[in-house]
Amino acid sequence: QSALTQPPSASGSPGQSVTISCTGSSSDIGGYVFVSWYQQHPNKAPKLIIYEVIKRPSGVPDRFSGSKSGNTASLTVSGLQAEDEANYYCTSYAGSHSWAFGGGTKLTVL
Amino acid sequence: QPQLQESGPGLVKPSETLSLTCTVSGDSIDSRNYYWGWIRQPPGKGLEWIGIISNSGSTQYNSSLRSRISISIDTSKNQFSLKLNSVTAADTAVYYCAREIMMVGFDVWGQGTLVTVSS
Repeated sequence: QSALTQPPSASGSPGQSVTISCTGSSSDIGGYVFVSWYQQHPNKAPKLIIYEVIKRPSGVPDRFSGSKSGNTASLTVSGLQAEDEANYYCTSYAGSHSWAFGGGTKLTVL
Repeated sequence: QPQLQESGPGLVKPSETLSLTCTVSGDSIDSRNYYWGWIRQPPGKGLEWIGIISNSGSTQYNSSLRSRISISIDTSKNQFSLKLNSVTAADTAVYYCAREIMMVGFDVWGQGTLVTVSS
């Protein structure tokens, strides 16, 4: 399971939109719709915020949205709020019931 | 919403075996709808998928760890466990157990437990 590539950092001002990319290959992101995103605040467990590329679990604000094109998935956070400051991780199903994780992106709300 | 809780030694000596147990409450671990997994996070670093187990005991492991790991399940105790042998300092991490909705993602996580490998 190869690691997915994310930018180490991203930032935006309150109210703005930020997009975080996640690049893989045809063996993971490009080959499946099973792409998910997690939000992790410091010293907390990750929280699932996007699954199957575009779907949101109950309770996740619609400010969070996902998309995919080819081997790259993206997470967009619209209307940035202070509580959105966290680390974000993408994951993709990688076949044979295995998962690949991205290295994480630290989102800073300026 | 079920709860997951990791337990086990916080300190393991190099070359020894790391053993952790995840206790599930509020849901039966004996369900065909879920897999039960382990994910770890070295200090200051990203998440790494370790492996999963089904209620029937079917397992899948991270290929980079496959030679050293074993995941088992005890449905009578509503627990599943991780063993990682021949540990080194590189295995120092917060270890999380989590519930996987099949191929959807990990929707419920334990709080995590820090395991340090040191003599």
